[in-house]
Amino acid sequence: GAGVSQSPRYKVAKRGQDVALRCDPISGHVSLFWYQQALGQGPEFLTYFQNEAQLDKSGLPSDRFFAERPEGSVSTLKIQRTQQEDSAVYLCASSFLAGGSTDTQYFGPGTRLTVL
Amino acid sequence: AQKVTQAQTEISVVEKEDVTLDCVYETRDTTYYLFWYKQPPSGELVFLIRRNSFDEQNEISGRYSWNFQKSTSSFNFTITASQVVDSAVYFCALSEGFKTIFGAGTRLFVKA
Repeated sequence: GAGVSQSPRYKVAKRGQDVALRCDPISGHVSLFWYQQALGQGPEFLTYFQNEAQLDKSGLPSDRFFAERPEGSVSTLKIQRTQQEDSAVYLCASSFLAGGSTDTQYFGPGTRLTVL
Repeated sequence: AQKVTQAQTEISVVEKEDVTLDCVYETRDTTYYLFWYKQPPSGELVFLIRRNSFDEQNEISGRYSWNFQKSTSSFNFTITASQVVDSAVYFCALSEGFKTIFGAGTRLFVKA
């Protein structure tokens, strides 16, 4: 079956622009996660959804970052007024079970965001 | 605070050598999960193993094996008879609640 997909795969933004990154999880997966991966680093947790409920957003670096999953499937990560330090790969992952990250997560290919 | 340390930044081996990737973690929880993921050059993280804190049995899957030592808070990963296709970045991760904490990764180069 289809895995986790993300779009766009690459995004170049000018400083100050808003961007929206999309994640299509595996069908039927309850949990959805967003991570930020800087070059040469491990993924850093941003936020977690259980169905449409955002249960943990403690990793969002600032109020410029906003995520939603209104119907419990597709999710969008929005970054307002992008800054150069936002340049990173943004990874989405989904898992079958509810309750957070104790279950195996399946990752998408990521969106590489470059802010000029 | 929880933490995952992968002290080896890069390892380079020749094909057919065995290689062990170290992972040390810190947590105050009695129940937790540990993971290993592989990130090949294509960039997509691939799940390798999931282990809960109550199961200290070592596991073997083909050329891969994992050694979980709760007493030393370590969860090391060994690749036997390495192959060029094993070249990737490997991440150890610790889970608690909604979050997953990843280590910084170990980049493995396997030369032919």
